[in-house]
Amino acid sequence: KAGVTQTPRYLIKTRGQQVTLSCSPISGHRSVSWYQQTPGQGLQFLFEYFSETQRNKGNFPGRFSGRQFSNSRSEMNVSTLELGDSALYLCASSPDGQETQYFGPGTRLLVL
Amino acid sequence: GENVEQHPSTLSVQEGDSAVIKCTYSDSASNYFPWYKQELGKGPQLIIDIRSNVGEKKDQRIAVTLNKTAKHFSLHITETQPEDSAVYFCAASKGGYGQNFVFGPGTRLSVLP
Repeated sequence: KAGVTQTPRYLIKTRGQQVTLSCSPISGHRSVSWYQQTPGQGLQFLFEYFSETQRNKGNFPGRFSGRQFSNSRSEMNVSTLELGDSALYLCASSPDGQETQYFGPGTRLLVL
Repeated sequence: GENVEQHPSTLSVQEGDSAVIKCTYSDSASNYFPWYKQELGKGPQLIIDIRSNVGEKKDQRIAVTLNKTAKHFSLHITETQPEDSAVYFCAASKGGYGQNFVFGPGTRLSVLP
């Protein structure tokens, strides 16, 4: 099976702009989670979707949002970008009923 | 909420030696503890995991031990090789409805040839 894929791999934006990142889970996986990884804060949980429903949400401001489509592909959106949003954004998918998470390569976002 | 601490933050070992990384967690309800390896420019890769009903699990050169009473778990890598050099993360999860992993801050392991 193909692994988790994320697009784009790299992105440069300026403050105030918005950005949309995409994640395609492993075929058959309906749970998709998003994480933000920074040198200072490490890996932090953003949100998790299952069958188009957000099941869990981390402690991030409302500027961070996501959605999941019927084919389990997921997108996350960050509006009104701030310099501190520069990070590696990771997506992970899980088989139904299992906690094991398989990560994609991430999207590296740089906000100037 | 859950808090996961990880030590050491950096670890250097000679090729062939063993490496041990330790994590502690705060929430006694956590019941799933995976370990991830992250190489430069890549996403974290699951290398081994353990559930709270098991005290130890081994997969070739890698083993994980769990002490529920003390709320700590450890990763053991034997016969280290240069390709083991990476950042290792532990995590804890309570499972249940929806995923919500809490990760440790990571350990940068360097295996010196």
